[in-house]
Amino acid sequence: GESVGLHLPTLSVQEGDNSIINCAYSNSASDYFIWYKQESGKGPQFIIDIRSNMDKRQGQRVTVLLNKTVKHLSLQIAATQPGDSAVYFCAENTWGGYNKLIFGAGTRLAVHP
Amino acid sequence: GAVVSQHPSRVICKSGTSVKIECRSLDFQATTMFWYRQFPKQSLMLMATSNEGSKATYEQGVEKDKFLINHASLTLSTLTVTSAHPEDSSFYICSAPPKSDTQYFGPGTRLTVL
Repeated sequence: GESVGLHLPTLSVQEGDNSIINCAYSNSASDYFIWYKQESGKGPQFIIDIRSNMDKRQGQRVTVLLNKTVKHLSLQIAATQPGDSAVYFCAENTWGGYNKLIFGAGTRLAVHP
Repeated sequence: GAVVSQHPSRVICKSGTSVKIECRSLDFQATTMFWYRQFPKQSLMLMATSNEGSKATYEQGVEKDKFLINHASLTLSTLTVTSAHPEDSSFYICSAPPKSDTQYFGPGTRLTVL
């Protein structure tokens, strides 16, 4: 049978508010980080990425912050919309000769009208 | 962005049978593709790295004889779940990097083994 699933942490926000999703990564040697959005029953969708030589990068309505000192990554979504409701994963690129991505546990974002 | 497709999107099979899942890069070539498995309410777990023209590289704990990977061309990788059992039921997702770092994911394949 299926494995017992972990309960994903959930962030509930009101439509129009800003959302901040946090992630702690594991490998201090990782040099590339990506945020993905996953809607139910679908594959992860690329949102934004950042390299370790940067501490901030902005996209359309999204900003990623990287704090290498404490191995922390955050995704900020401005003016959150109902369509932003999904599970968000951070991923770190751990170079092992094969460009492997290691995913974080994920956070469910629930946007309420 | 780059497009990665998977087929089938859903498959139901009987215990003991084998199931093949295809992953295609539609608008770019990929010498490397990756296969992930995702159980409900969990994160993606990397199973193996598929390499065009050479053997796949499996992550620790993943049985290579059970999960057969063939990277037949620069746009196609297949994952065959052999002698499937109910515990193999999961969401299987592939990815491919059109550039050196960024990976784009397929829509996933839901496998249910009865």
